[in-house]
Amino acid sequence: DAGVIQSPRHEVTEMGQEVTLRCKPISGHDYLFWYRQTMMRGLELLIYFNNNVPIDDSGMPEDRFSAKMPNASFSTLKIQPSEPRDSAVYFCASARTGPGSPLHFGNGTRLTVT
Amino acid sequence: QQQVKQSPQSLIVQKGGISIINCAYENTAFDYFPWYQQFPGKGPALLIAIRPDVSEKKEGRFTISFNKSAKQFSLHIMDSQPGDSATYFCAATPLFEKLTFGTGTRLTIIP
Repeated sequence: DAGVIQSPRHEVTEMGQEVTLRCKPISGHDYLFWYRQTMMRGLELLIYFNNNVPIDDSGMPEDRFSAKMPNASFSTLKIQPSEPRDSAVYFCASARTGPGSPLHFGNGTRLTVT
Repeated sequence: QQQVKQSPQSLIVQKGGISIINCAYENTAFDYFPWYQQFPGKGPALLIAIRPDVSEKKEGRFTISFNKSAKQFSLHIMDSQPGDSATYFCAATPLFEKLTFGTGTRLTIIP
């Protein structure tokens, strides 16, 4: 079990650029979550998928954010255009049976938008 | 009603002491209460969890105490060690719904 794999670990970009964050969940986990962590707001759920289908995207801050899960082993979170206030650590997590089951987090992508 | 209030924000405990972190909730539909531990540069990891049909759950030096009537639950770390220094998050969820996290407690264990 390799765990949840996220890439890149760090991303520095200029305001206005497109940013794509990537996630490979644990094999056999049917649920995938994208979280954002900041000092001010803590851990925020952005969106989650069940069997590759988006279930709840109410946490996505605005239309600049989009997430896809084209298959069971890959998901992306895209920000276009990026803004300095998007600077945060973005975590992907997967779970076997649902949001109420143990979440397995990746090590995150630290995004800095200048 | 979806909030989980966590305190304290930070905590310093001497090695060998007891660390206590508290959480409170309002939503009576919550029925799963996990605690996550996060080390710097890492994602949170599940530490221990409890359901409201029991008042206490113990795993090694870690214990969750649950008070359903007061809508409160707490994490106790016995014989705290420097390796326990981390940020701890409580969380809660109704069955099959998304997790609501507390704001986190930064725990530092000093020699």
